[in-house]
Amino acid sequence: QSVLTQPPSVSAAPGQKVTISCSGSSSNIGNNYVSWYQQLPGTAPKLLIYDNNKRPSGIPDRFSGSKSGTSATLGITGLQTGDEADYYCGTWDSSLSAAYVFGTGTKVTVL
Amino acid sequence: EVQLVESGGGLIQPGGSLRLSCAASGFTVSNYYMSWVRQAPGKGLEWVSVIYSGGSTYYADSVKGRFTVSRDNSKNTVYLQMNSLRAEETAVYYCASCTVTTSYCFDYWGQGTLVTVSS
Repeated sequence: QSVLTQPPSVSAAPGQKVTISCSGSSSNIGNNYVSWYQQLPGTAPKLLIYDNNKRPSGIPDRFSGSKSGTSATLGITGLQTGDEADYYCGTWDSSLSAAYVFGTGTKVTVL
Repeated sequence: EVQLVESGGGLIQPGGSLRLSCAASGFTVSNYYMSWVRQAPGKGLEWVSVIYSGGSTYYADSVKGRFTVSRDNSKNTVYLQMNSLRAEETAVYYCASCTVTTSYCFDYWGQGTLVTVSS
């Protein structure tokens, strides 16, 4: 059972914007950096955002990240059919059972 | 070019052992923390373990005492020794590293190796 909660699915038409929320607690999101990953069917995950809002080289600025308190948000603008994938947030959890935790995952559907 | 290549997966009976390998190229594994992440069929991502550059290791509660992560610097390879495997641990196992920040992330991933625990 993940400690980071995401909506199971979001959808929008091509060219539109979607946001994906990631809700945690003070032991994880509240005191650690958040990353976001995209996983296309049958492939390994890909890093989209690290340190809450930074993009690795090669990731377009259509993808953005933010964090406020114990929640984080991934935004995707100019939605494309190639963005249809599963998206996961992740962060370190500093509780007694120190561990990296992933969100429950969100399926993005391009209508 | 950075590349991570996992190997060692396969079919194993419940209670059995398996050792996974993650061979790296394009960077030195001892300079970064290296993690194992797994994904059961149709399920989400689950972090399994990490080995830091200094050699410290951490594990998910679900595998503590049964899994061991290690590193061979001369081979630039990371290993995951898995003992007392359970059916529910059937999954694709990925190794991953973070090179863009000192905080946690996974910017390089292997292609994954499938571990099937079944009698």
